[in-house]
Amino acid sequence: DAGITQSPRYKITETGRQVTLMCHQTWSHSYMFWYRQDLGHGLRLIYYSAAADITDKGEVPDGYVVSRSKTENFPLTLESATRSQTSVYFCASSLDRGQRGGYTFGSGTRLTVV
Amino acid sequence: GESVGLHLPTLSVQEGDNSIINCAYSNSASDYFIWYKQESGKGPQFIIDIRSNMDKRQGQRVTVLLNKTVKHLSLQIAATQPGDSAVYFCAENRDNQGGKLIFGQGTELSVKP
Repeated sequence: DAGITQSPRYKITETGRQVTLMCHQTWSHSYMFWYRQDLGHGLRLIYYSAAADITDKGEVPDGYVVSRSKTENFPLTLESATRSQTSVYFCASSLDRGQRGGYTFGSGTRLTVV
Repeated sequence: GESVGLHLPTLSVQEGDNSIINCAYSNSASDYFIWYKQESGKGPQFIIDIRSNMDKRQGQRVTVLLNKTVKHLSLQIAATQPGDSAVYFCAENRDNQGGKLIFGQGTELSVKP
């Protein structure tokens, strides 16, 4: 969807390195979310944000850091990447708490940690 | 525990047949459900939603049924087409938990020509 973009599309990094995944939306949606998708686990929520400067943990936040200084951006940082963080990461946004039409997802970032 | 889950991981249907994908949930307080379609290499895409004050909702070729008594919902796709091949997720929006979406593991639908 052109309104929410993730970068990079693919990333290979080494264990122990810091890596940041970017998410940008053009709708001024209040809510933004980061999910990871792994075989056998479906989509699991890492962090979410209700507005700029407001973030909260999801199901699997360990090893990740987020910030939201601007409404349109919600970067996800892996401070010291581990192999278990190899996954596909999806960013999503929502105008409200998702009660009207759920979320709109980006195309994902496939991250491989070697 | 609270969860949203799917009964079958894979479903194979013949082109033109109807497809039914099932989903069970355990949180009786859940009041809003969404079905997503995810094609290979893409993010999940909204298909249809339903609130707990309804038991049926129809869209274009898709129908969602909700049975609150047994905490079950299903997605029916009429006249399934090759373009319907994807993974389908049901998701529960827990407004009382900050509006987070909780996803089931997904059912892969394969349409045979």
